[in-house]
This record gives sequence, structure tokens and C-alpha cells, in this order.
Amino acid sequence: GQQVMQIPQYQHVQEGEDFTTYCNSSTTLSNIQWYKQRPGGHPVFLIQLVKSGEVKKQKRLTFQFGEAKKNSSLHITATQTTDVGTYFCAGVAWVKTSYDKVIFGPGTSLSVIP
Amino acid sequence: DTEVTQTPKHLVMGMTNKKSLKCEQHMGHRAMYWYKQKAKKPPELMFVYSYEKLSINESVPSRFSPECPNSSLLNLHLHALQPEDSALYLCASSQSPENTGELFFGEGSRLTVL
Repeated sequence: GQQVMQIPQYQHVQEGEDFTTYCNSSTTLSNIQWYKQRPGGHPVFLIQLVKSGEVKKQKRLTFQFGEAKKNSSLHITATQTTDVGTYFCAGVAWVKTSYDKVIFGPGTSLSVIP
Repeated sequence: DTEVTQTPKHLVMGMTNKKSLKCEQHMGHRAMYWYKQKAKKPPELMFVYSYEKLSINESVPSRFSPECPNSSLLNLHLHALQPEDSALYLCASSQSPENTGELFFGEGSRLTVL
């Protein structure tokens, strides 16, 4: 079945350093989504990438979707303590019933040391 | 209104109890989801309802029984659960089952099975 992998599992950075998490799918995706979950909270949608090679920016966050639509990355420039949380990529693929299926990667837990 | 509301927030039950988790959204979304999340793990898809019909059941044990009474409500009936079923149960909705966009998550129901 479809699998979504994500590395690293944990990342500890000094405030102001950059951070990147990588996501890889075993199958071609129709699109990929990114979510952030703060400790004790629920996942919150950040962005969706649809096109091959797409790059989107949200302030200090840069998201990329690979040319083969099987991998993606999230890069945070100059991390802040508010960036603490777990970042999940979620691969969206068609299933035979013609409905989308959203499968979450294992997540990268980011700690920011002030 | 862009909220998904889940009740109760916390639930403790014995293995012989019957209880229900409830989820409500008023965004006109036609896809609703149940996810299970264990500590330090990603959300794991359980069920998908599309236009109030069950479209995906991820081989969930029959002690979990979903129900979608109308387009705004989603229930998860619990019966004879095991301690390993203790987890955060997240409800989510999205606009369309055929073209999954952003998943809107509720805050979750934290279930403890004694």
C-alpha cells in the first residue's frame, strides 16, 4: 500500500537557525499537504502543493513539490520559538473508488532552543 | 464558521462500556473523516464518509462503529474497547470527496480505556 516517509524524526535547533524536513512517497501523488501540530493540539493545515516542481512560500516557510510528485520538503528560515511543533506531510492519492485518500507521514518534531 | 467541533474533549471508559464521540461541522463540507492518533505518531485514517455514505473503512475493528446522520454530523460509537484503543480521536472535514483540499480538524476527543 501507499507509504509516506519523512525525515528527520526529530530536530533540535537554536533559535535563528534554519530547519528542513523531507517527505517521500512510495507512489506518485495527486497532491501533497503540510500540517503543523503544536504540543497538545490538533493538526492545522499549512499548504497544499499540486503541480510538479511547485514551490510556494509563506513568510519564512518554503514548500517544494518534486518533479516526479513523489517527494516534498518544508524549509523554515530563521526559526522562532513559535515554530515549535510537529510538521506532518500528508500525501493525497486517488484510490480505486475514485475518492482521494490522505495518508500522513510520521512527522518531524521540531524543538527550538531560545 | 470554519470550525469542526468535537465532544467530549475527554472520555474515560471501561472495557464493557458503550460510548459515542460526536463531531459537527457547518461549513457545508461533504467529506468527513475519523482519524486515530497515538502519542508521538501521525494521525491514522479510520473512516471516510463521502456525501454521508461510508466510502473508506481502513480495516477498523467492529468495536468502532461510525455513523453519519446528516451532512453536518459524524459519530463514532464505541463498544467493548481495549486499553490499546486509548488515543486521541480526531474528526476532520473537507469540502469535496473527489478533490480533497484542506482537512479541517477538530480539537479531538482524548479517550482512555481502563
